[in-house]
Amino acid sequence: DGGITQSPKYLFRKEGQNVTLSCEQNLNHDAMYWYRQDPGQGLRLIYYSQIVNDFQKGDIAEGYSVSREKKESFPLTVTSAQKNPTAFYLCASSRGRPGSNQPQHFGDGTRLSIL
Amino acid sequence: GESVGLHLPTLSVQEGDNSIINCAYSNSASDYFIWYKQESGKGPQFIIDIRSNMDKRQGQRVTVLLNKTVKHLSLQIAATQPGDSAVYFCAENIGNNNDMRFGAGTRLTVKP
Repeated sequence: DGGITQSPKYLFRKEGQNVTLSCEQNLNHDAMYWYRQDPGQGLRLIYYSQIVNDFQKGDIAEGYSVSREKKESFPLTVTSAQKNPTAFYLCASSRGRPGSNQPQHFGDGTRLSIL
Repeated sequence: GESVGLHLPTLSVQEGDNSIINCAYSNSASDYFIWYKQESGKGPQFIIDIRSNMDKRQGQRVTVLLNKTVKHLSLQIAATQPGDSAVYFCAENIGNNNDMRFGAGTRLTVKP
């Protein structure tokens, strides 16, 4: 089945530690996205990538980093600089080239908590 | 499972009734809109989309209505079932990079 796989489902971070969240898609989508979801709020964009080896900051990129070395993969690193990392993280992908108006499809998320 | 939305607007309906979930969007230049369903502990699931050159679009048991004059979007679910219980939120495309803005959502509860 085609889809988006996020791992792990649950992740715990210690103080001062960087952690990396995995996102893999086999939909052959060009664009990939990372969002953060907090209770009672809409999704907020962290980073997005339209093509391999290129990515752009979203609204809340501080304390996060990404890479896009392969079309299928878009890992997110939550660095120790992110002071409030506890949240539900969602990865999405779409066929979108800019302006194409294609729906974004989501994985089932990773819940990150602080120890 | 985890709650993905606390203190959200809620809608409670009886099984078999029709549901209407509303969304006010922000940007009059937005040209593409999506409704998503999110169950507890899962990622959002695409339900239906609509482009700004349309006023209405129908899917299986769902209809989306777009009123551009008042920047309002609604999702109608016919014959609501217990499996429809979830958080529903709308999204609008505000830019040229498929840059979506997401509402916080409405929690739908279906009573048997």
